[in-house]
Amino acid sequence: AQSVSQHNHHVILSEAASLELGCNYSYGGTVNLFWYVQYPGQHLQLLLKYFSGDPLVKGIKGFEAEFIKSKFSFNLRKPSVQWSDTAEYFCAVNAGSNDYKLSFGAGTTVTVRA
Amino acid sequence: ETGVTQSPTHLIKTRGQQVTLRCSSQSGHNTVSWYQQALGQGPQFIFQYYREEENGRGNFPPRFSGLQFPNYSSELNVNALELDDSALYLCASSLEDRGGYTFGSGTRLTVV
Repeated sequence: AQSVSQHNHHVILSEAASLELGCNYSYGGTVNLFWYVQYPGQHLQLLLKYFSGDPLVKGIKGFEAEFIKSKFSFNLRKPSVQWSDTAEYFCAVNAGSNDYKLSFGAGTTVTVRA
Repeated sequence: ETGVTQSPTHLIKTRGQQVTLRCSSQSGHNTVSWYQQALGQGPQFIFQYYREEENGRGNFPPRFSGLQFPNYSSELNVNALELDDSALYLCASSLEDRGGYTFGSGTRLTVV
């Protein structure tokens, strides 16, 4: 079974700072990778996803993530955060085209100070 | 696009009781999954239904069961509730896609 680990439990930043959230997974086969965001009081929303092709994936709201297969990593980045990026961020994995189950990391809470 | 709607939004039950949570999938989606999110943790996969059949299950006991109806709406039933069942229950729907999941806002279940 695959597992997902997120390196940081809570990250505190000032506006305009750069953000990078780490995500590593343990699964040796083909994977599909996702980042979800949960704003306070709202439902999980898909930020971006990787299935194949260019390992640098661009998502909504200026976020991007890079898939590094050799490191089993899929780190999320944003060059300049805004106060509205305050949220909880979840990395998730599913194992190939026959497995729709998502395995989530524990999440990283990001607090952006104005 | 109507999104995924779940009901009720909040629920308080007593240990030993049974509960039914409901989910209306996004229009056109034929796959529904249920997740349990305990406080401070990521969502944990309970099970998935595709065309009214369960086609995947996580590490949850049999007292967690589900149904998917012909209109692709779904129910999650939990029998013999335990205190540890207190969590946010999330429904997600997709169209046979590897990850185009749309999540609902969840049902917050408290077991006392």
